[in-house]
Amino acid sequence: DAGVTQSPTHLIKTRGQQVTLRCSPKSGHDTVSWYQQALGQGPQFIFQYYEEEERQRGNFPDRFSGHQFPNYSSELNVNALLLGDSALYLCASRMQMNTEAFFGQGTRLTVV
Amino acid sequence: AQKVTQAQTEISVVEKEDVTLDCVYETRDTTYYLFWYKQPPSGELVFLIRRNSFDEQNEISGRYSWNFQKSTSSFNFTITASQVVDSAVYFCALRQTGANNLFFGTGTRLTVIP
Repeated sequence: DAGVTQSPTHLIKTRGQQVTLRCSPKSGHDTVSWYQQALGQGPQFIFQYYEEEERQRGNFPDRFSGHQFPNYSSELNVNALLLGDSALYLCASRMQMNTEAFFGQGTRLTVV
Repeated sequence: AQKVTQAQTEISVVEKEDVTLDCVYETRDTTYYLFWYKQPPSGELVFLIRRNSFDEQNEISGRYSWNFQKSTSSFNFTITASQVVDSAVYFCALRQTGANNLFFGTGTRLTVIP
């Protein structure tokens, strides 16, 4: 049973570019959340998707957008990248009625 | 507003020593969940425990134990007889009942020296 998988594992982008990160949830999970973890900090909630809709959003600008597909997988898109967007982006999945979230290994995004 | 404080930024212990990681939280909610996660160098957050706010019973799982005290808003984590494989960053987190997001502390980096 595969856990939460994210791709790519590492990514280098130039300031101003756009990036798409991908997440496949753990088998049986229908809810996906995205977190941003800056170096030396705890993860910060970006948004959550359930039934292909954004259900809750953290304090992130509109440059951060997402999508959930019918197979429950999800994408995180970031437009007009800033140097400050450099971070580890973590995807978490869970069953909607459960409370434990399981995390992937993350995508390390570096903006230069 | 929710807030989780992990005052210990880094801790180093010698293998087989016991170590306690502190977590203090703030919330106005009467019901909530508390969590501990472990983050090894690979980056993945590994779920360790969830505790409901109305369940103050302490829990032990092998070498791990957790002390939840609602009166002091603390949820401390103790590792007994530490091992090198315990070296990681440990995060305490809070989630409101009915909400979707976790509020994380800034983490405690534990280094176990052989």
